[in-house]
Amino acid sequence: GAGVSQTPSNKVTEKGKYVELRCDPISGHTALYWYRQSLGQGPEFLIYFQGTGAADDSGLPNDRFFAVRPEGSVSTLKIQRTERGDSAVYLCASSPTGRAGLTGELFFGEGSRLTVL
Amino acid sequence: AQSVAQPEDQVNVAEGNPLTVKCTYSVSGNPYLFWYVQYPNRGLQFLLKYITGDNLVKGSYGFEAEFNKSQTSFHLKKPSALVSDSALYFCAVRDPGGSQGNLIFGKGTKLSVKP
Repeated sequence: GAGVSQTPSNKVTEKGKYVELRCDPISGHTALYWYRQSLGQGPEFLIYFQGTGAADDSGLPNDRFFAVRPEGSVSTLKIQRTERGDSAVYLCASSPTGRAGLTGELFFGEGSRLTVL
Repeated sequence: AQSVAQPEDQVNVAEGNPLTVKCTYSVSGNPYLFWYVQYPNRGLQFLLKYITGDNLVKGSYGFEAEFNKSQTSFHLKKPSALVSDSALYFCAVRDPGGSQGNLIFGKGTKLSVKP
């Protein structure tokens, strides 16, 4: 597709369960980003990939959160032992290499809304 | 630490009137500054950015923003608002010496343009 695709769009789970959220970036974009947006707040950085490797994972809140991008395209955000406080919209974005990628113009998907009951 | 403040939760404007959405920032060094817009049920969309050069930057949909270093501000403006401009607007900052991916976003300002 033309844009960043995220699945599922909505996920409801129970406390303690494991969740995977998927992101398919724009074709050819080497950089991929995960952000989290809680109600009434701006997006909060989680992790950034350049190719297959995590270039910056300083935003991951704890070791229950993990993300992979094994082939440098699709990425999966994994959350173990979910807690009610994990409820948020998880946003994925991508950017190309070159000046646009270095200066922060990100292309966002519509997000995956996670609700932990 | 880097931070962004959007002092207004909501801005109400009549169609055809000028609009301003305020943003102030705190970052060491010269910042990279951005505005993004979020329409209902849509992903965040890039509007404009300031990296260096002219303090007045022009972006999509007729929006512009002025970088003011002395006031550490980057207010978003449009000369004549449209009803279709109603959306949630986010200001963001990045430390040029920091991680490429780590944009710091404000809490957002809801813009409501009435006919």
